[in-house]
Amino acid sequence: GQNIDQPTEMTATEGAIVQINCTYQTSGFNGLFWYQQHAGEAPTFLSYNVLDGLEEKGRFSSFLSRSKGYSYLLLKELQMKDSASYLCAVIDSNYQLIWGAGTKLIIKP
Amino acid sequence: GAVVSQHPSWVICKSGTSVKIECRSLDFQATTMFWYRQFPKQSLMLMATSNEGSKATYEQGVEKDKFLINHASLTLSTLTVTSAHPEDSSFYICSARTSGRAYEQYFGPGTRLTVT
Repeated sequence: GQNIDQPTEMTATEGAIVQINCTYQTSGFNGLFWYQQHAGEAPTFLSYNVLDGLEEKGRFSSFLSRSKGYSYLLLKELQMKDSASYLCAVIDSNYQLIWGAGTKLIIKP
Repeated sequence: GAVVSQHPSWVICKSGTSVKIECRSLDFQATTMFWYRQFPKQSLMLMATSNEGSKATYEQGVEKDKFLINHASLTLSTLTVTSAHPEDSSFYICSARTSGRAYEQYFGPGTRLTVT
């Protein structure tokens, strides 16, 4: 079966750095997304990785290793507004998006 | 660019009535639209995929006669929850994809449905 694992919840301190991991086992791979979702709102796009390596976009970076079925989202200089759920999603061989359950990130002052 | 709107943003209806939710791509043509449902503290659950001008493809366990999806144009898809029950209360989110950027989905703001 298809499976995406990410931690349920993480806590970090304002101004610090946090890394949210995602491992996946899917039938085929056509890319991996990270989305941010605040409570009561729809997800917003953060990043898309299809090749191995690190993609940096401001305070957020996303890394992919296809051979390991592994990705992480790195958030730097954490701000209180970064408190949200972070969703990892993989496009499989049928171009379907397979969603992880999301990681709830709690930022403390 | 790539803005998706949903209407209404929230709706309360009585059990047994039907509710229609609209999803519009405002500045691009959406060849494919997706409908998701999300219960509190749970991840997104794909309900169905619809391509413009053709019948929607429903995920296993989703009743197609209860959740009617119409994708009549490249900018509009509708989800009608028929004979709504309290257990249908949820957050319904649509997303749209254009053929030009096949791998990226743009999400609408969601519709919160409460059935009393």
